[in-house]
Amino acid sequence: KAGVTQTPRYLIKTRGQQVTLSCSPISGHRSVSWYQQTPGQGLQFLFEYFSETQRNKGNFPGRFSGRQFSNSRSEMNVSTLELGDSALYLCASSLAAGGSYNEQFFGPGTRLTVL
Amino acid sequence: AQSVTQLGSHVSVSEGALVLLRCNYSSSVPPYLFWYVQYPNQGLQLLLKYTSAATLVKGINGFEAEFKKSETSFHLTKPSAHMSDAAEYFCAVTSSGNTPLVFGKGTRLSVIA
Repeated sequence: KAGVTQTPRYLIKTRGQQVTLSCSPISGHRSVSWYQQTPGQGLQFLFEYFSETQRNKGNFPGRFSGRQFSNSRSEMNVSTLELGDSALYLCASSLAAGGSYNEQFFGPGTRLTVL
Repeated sequence: AQSVTQLGSHVSVSEGALVLLRCNYSSSVPPYLFWYVQYPNQGLQLLLKYTSAATLVKGINGFEAEFKKSETSFHLTKPSAHMSDAAEYFCAVTSSGNTPLVFGKGTRLSVIA
C-alpha cells in the first residue's frame, strides 16, 4: 500500500507570496491532519479534515487554510507569507479521527523556506 | 485539555547501553498514547501505541513502552542502543473523542560509539 505523499518536497518563496501544499493520504484513509514543525515550537497542529469537513483547527492565523477533496486528498494554503512561516509542513492520514483510530501515518513533509 | 511533557530535549547514550526516553501525559479521559520516531529530513514513523489493552507495549526496532496510570507516564525503552537509533522521538496523546493528536516537544537521541 502506498504511503502518504506530499508535494512539493521543497519550496522557496518570498515574503508576501502565497503557497499551496498538497497531500495524498493512504488509500482508504479519510482523515488528514496538517502540522507545522519548527525547531523552536516543535510539532504544532494546524487543522484536521475528515470527509471534506474541517473537524479541528489549531491556533494559527487565518492566513493558514486548507481543504479536503472527495477523494480525501488535501491541500493547505498559506497566504501573505512571513519569514516565520519557514518550516517543515507535515501531513498525516488516519482511518478516522479520535482514539486508536487516530494512529496517524505521516508523509515526508514539505520544506518551505520564506526569504 | 491534553498535554505531553517529554523530559530532556537531548539524551545521549553509548552504543549498547539502555535507552530511556521519558514521557508524561495529562488527560482527563482515558488516553491513547503513541511514540513516533523522526529521522533527519523525513516524516514521523510510528514506533508503538497504547490503546488500553496491555500496559506493556512492544514496538518496532526493539523498543517498548509501559503505560503507568498512577504515574501518568509512558516511557520508551530499549535494552541496547544501536547507532541507527539516533533520531528524534516524539510522544503523543489523544482520546477516544474527536480530539487531535497532541505531541510533546521531542527528545533527540544521540548514540555514541
